[in-house]
Amino acid sequence: ETGVTQTPRHLVMGMTNKKSLKCEQHLGHNAMYWYKQSAKKPLELMFVYNFKEQTENNSVPSRFSPECPNSSHLFLHLHTLQPEDSALYLCASSQEPSGEETQYFGPGTRLLVL
Amino acid sequence: DAKTTQPPSMDCAEGRAANLPCNHSTISGNEYVYWYRQIHSQGPQYIIHGLKNNETNEMASLIITEDRKSSTLILPHATLRDTAVYYCIVSTSSNDYKLSFGAGTTVTVRA
Repeated sequence: ETGVTQTPRHLVMGMTNKKSLKCEQHLGHNAMYWYKQSAKKPLELMFVYNFKEQTENNSVPSRFSPECPNSSHLFLHLHTLQPEDSALYLCASSQEPSGEETQYFGPGTRLLVL
Repeated sequence: DAKTTQPPSMDCAEGRAANLPCNHSTISGNEYVYWYRQIHSQGPQYIIHGLKNNETNEMASLIITEDRKSSTLILPHATLRDTAVYYCIVSTSSNDYKLSFGAGTTVTVRA
């Protein structure tokens, strides 16, 4: 238990569906992250939020829309996804968005796009 | 960011020490060495990090060479639950917060 929770743990959606992934951290951290991990590939950073403000968008397609209403919650809104978007989506948090800060990861949401 | 090189896989006997090497020959003076691991289908888990000195915590020890060009993660008494992919990452203390996860080392602990 890392103090970072993600829901749902598994999600199957069609290409025309709209769904949202939720992440919550109970660590009092100020920075939150979304990562994508496709099969047989390294983790890829998608978005970074610091004090609710987006500070990094790693060239992510607009069909992924993040939302950070407060420092404890992070959402990833999904719409018109493609089958190649099937992956494990991981949320993480750290005290500050600094390379010196340890990131704590949630268990991930396993997404399958049909 | 400095890049790291790790062996793709290694086996370890249960109860024995597991020594995981990592090369980071282009590391710069303000870059930390971090180790994370990822058990199958779970999120990565922080293990340990260091800058220059050797570090130890309840999970592992980190030995960094004097020139900082390489390091070794030591799991003192490997258990079957230590089977995972282990990532060695270098990261700066500046605003560069990106953890660049490579392929890591797949460690299999065998009974």
